[in-house]
Amino acid sequence: KAGVTQTPRYLIKTRGQQVTLSCSPISGHRSVSWYQQTPGQGLQFLFEYFSETQRNKGNFPGRFSGRQFSNSRSEMNVSTLELGDSALYLCASSQLGGNNSPLHFGNGTRLTVT
Amino acid sequence: AQTVTQSQPEMSVQEAETVTLSCTYDTSESDYYLFWYKQPPSRQMILVIRQEAYKQQNATENRFSVNFQKAAKSFSLKISDSQLGDAAMYFCAYRSGSSGGSNYKLTFGKGTLLTVNP
Repeated sequence: KAGVTQTPRYLIKTRGQQVTLSCSPISGHRSVSWYQQTPGQGLQFLFEYFSETQRNKGNFPGRFSGRQFSNSRSEMNVSTLELGDSALYLCASSQLGGNNSPLHFGNGTRLTVT
Repeated sequence: AQTVTQSQPEMSVQEAETVTLSCTYDTSESDYYLFWYKQPPSRQMILVIRQEAYKQQNATENRFSVNFQKAAKSFSLKISDSQLGDAAMYFCAYRSGSSGGSNYKLTFGKGTLLTVNP
């Protein structure tokens, strides 16, 4: 079974631009969550989707948004990029979300904002 | 809000020896789950071990075991017979056991970088 796939692996953008990151969950997994990882703040929860519905959102500005498609694939979008958005963005999938569904993480997308 | 604290930014251990990574957390909930994740240079987070708060018995997975002290809100990871492949960043994480939105996210500590010396 293929794991969680995140594309692209690396991305370089300029301040003010917008970016879209993609995540394909493990087949059969309906929950997708996103995390931002930076050296200063560590790992922070962005949002979680299940069956195309956002069930929880972290404390990030409205520039960060996401969505999930009917095939469970998910995208996250960051508009008006700032230097502080440079981070590793991790996607994780699970069958149902919640406590009886272990999270499986992808290899992440490394975003650099210049 | 729940917080997770890992007080050891870096640790090192000799191959074949035992090392313990510390984690404390703060919560007012009685139902929750605790995890240790490993992140090697490949960047992929890998689940090492998980503990349900309602279980008194400490979880064990091969060479990995935890010391869960619920009253002290402490959750340490012991790695026995350390191997070179154990070298990675280790994260302690908390998940609420209550229903609703908080159940669907992990709160992570800042991590401990483990070096294994041959």
